[in-house]
Amino acid sequence: GQSLEQPSEVTAVEGAIVQINCTYQTSGFYGLSWYQQHDGGAPTFLSYNALDGLEETGRFSSFLSRSDSYGYLLLQELQMKDSASYFCAVMDSSYKLIFGSGTRLLVRP
Amino acid sequence: GAVVSQHPSRVICKSGTSVKIECRSLDFQATTMFWYRQFPKQSLMLMATSNEGSKATYEQGVEKDKFLINHASLTLSTLTVTSAHPEDSSFYICSALLSRESAYEQYFGPGTRLTVT
Repeated sequence: GQSLEQPSEVTAVEGAIVQINCTYQTSGFYGLSWYQQHDGGAPTFLSYNALDGLEETGRFSSFLSRSDSYGYLLLQELQMKDSASYFCAVMDSSYKLIFGSGTRLLVRP
Repeated sequence: GAVVSQHPSRVICKSGTSVKIECRSLDFQATTMFWYRQFPKQSLMLMATSNEGSKATYEQGVEKDKFLINHASLTLSTLTVTSAHPEDSSFYICSALLSRESAYEQYFGPGTRLTVT
């Protein structure tokens, strides 16, 4: 089967750093993506890792370890607007995305 | 760049009628688009892969005769929900596949909220 596991909910304080972990078990692997989704909206692309290591894009960074089938999304200098759901997704060899169940991030003042 | 639009954004229809949802890639060509469905507080579930010029590939458990997909051009895919029922009420989201510097990314449309009464 194919599965991705991530925490269901994370709470953090404005200005802090938060890490959302994702472990995956899939039959094919082309890369690990992260998406942000605000309530009522569609997912927006945050990052993509095909190779091991850290990718940095502004306040967001994403890490991948293919040998551990593990990745994480790191959000720095948290802002209230970062409160949203975050999904990890594995792209398989046919470019389909298999989504995790999502992590709801609540940023408090 | 990499903008995907969907129309309509919201639709209410009566049980038994059909609804067509359009997905367009505005500034790039997409030979492959995807259709997802998302129920409240749940993750996105892939329904089907839409390929330009060929038949769509449906995921297990998705009725191809109920959810008709047509990918008539490199910038347009349509999903028609036929004989809609209240249980089809959901958030339908499309995405378009873009190849960029040997990496592949999916860019999502804003979604269509379907309510069947």
